[in-house]
Amino acid sequence: GDSVTQMEGPVTLSEEAFLTINCTYTATGYPSLFWYVQYPGEGLQLLLKATKADDKGSNKGFEATYRKETTSFHLEKGSVQVSDSAVYFCALSDQYSGGGADGLTFGKGTHLIIQP
Amino acid sequence: DAGVIQSPRHEVTEMGQEVTLRCKPISGHDYLFWYRQTMMRGLELLIYFNNNVPIDDSGMPEDRFSAKMPNASFSTLKIQPSEPRDSAVYFCASSPSGSGSYEQYFGPGTRLTVT
Repeated sequence: GDSVTQMEGPVTLSEEAFLTINCTYTATGYPSLFWYVQYPGEGLQLLLKATKADDKGSNKGFEATYRKETTSFHLEKGSVQVSDSAVYFCALSDQYSGGGADGLTFGKGTHLIIQP
Repeated sequence: DAGVIQSPRHEVTEMGQEVTLRCKPISGHDYLFWYRQTMMRGLELLIYFNNNVPIDDSGMPEDRFSAKMPNASFSTLKIQPSEPRDSAVYFCASSPSGSGSYEQYFGPGTRLTVT
């Protein structure tokens, strides 16, 4: 079955540091890949997505590139802020046999803490 | 535009009681998903619907759990009887078909505590 592996953390960085959160996946089909962010006490918010190999998703200074050859979708940001402190989830969506959407398969989540 | 709406936001109940969680998806979205989040198991898909029809309920833990979607704008997840191990945050998400990427939009969640 499908699976997503990501570093669990917590990851603690100083403000303005460079961020990388690694994510690798296994999938039976050709999945779409996502990063979601969860702030304390809130639901998950879609941060960025990529649907095919070499696509780069980007949003709010965050980027991730769909690497089919290494089955990876690492999240990066050049300069983090205290407000980026949250839990980040890597996820994939594969098509079900009927050709439509399937449930998301999530990684365990990475708790990011940014210190001033 | 309103996002996915869930109610209640918090629910505290005693073991053995029936619990009903409610979800209103984003208008026009024809996929609806129910997830459960716990510290031990992370985010798990419980069940999902397409055009109000259940497609995959293999994630439903046991017969105590049931879900319905009587129309395009409303779904319920019911636990009867509830047990302390059901304590978790339950999320509802919806997704439009035709997007090509199948991104899902999540509600704020219902935090369930069973004592």
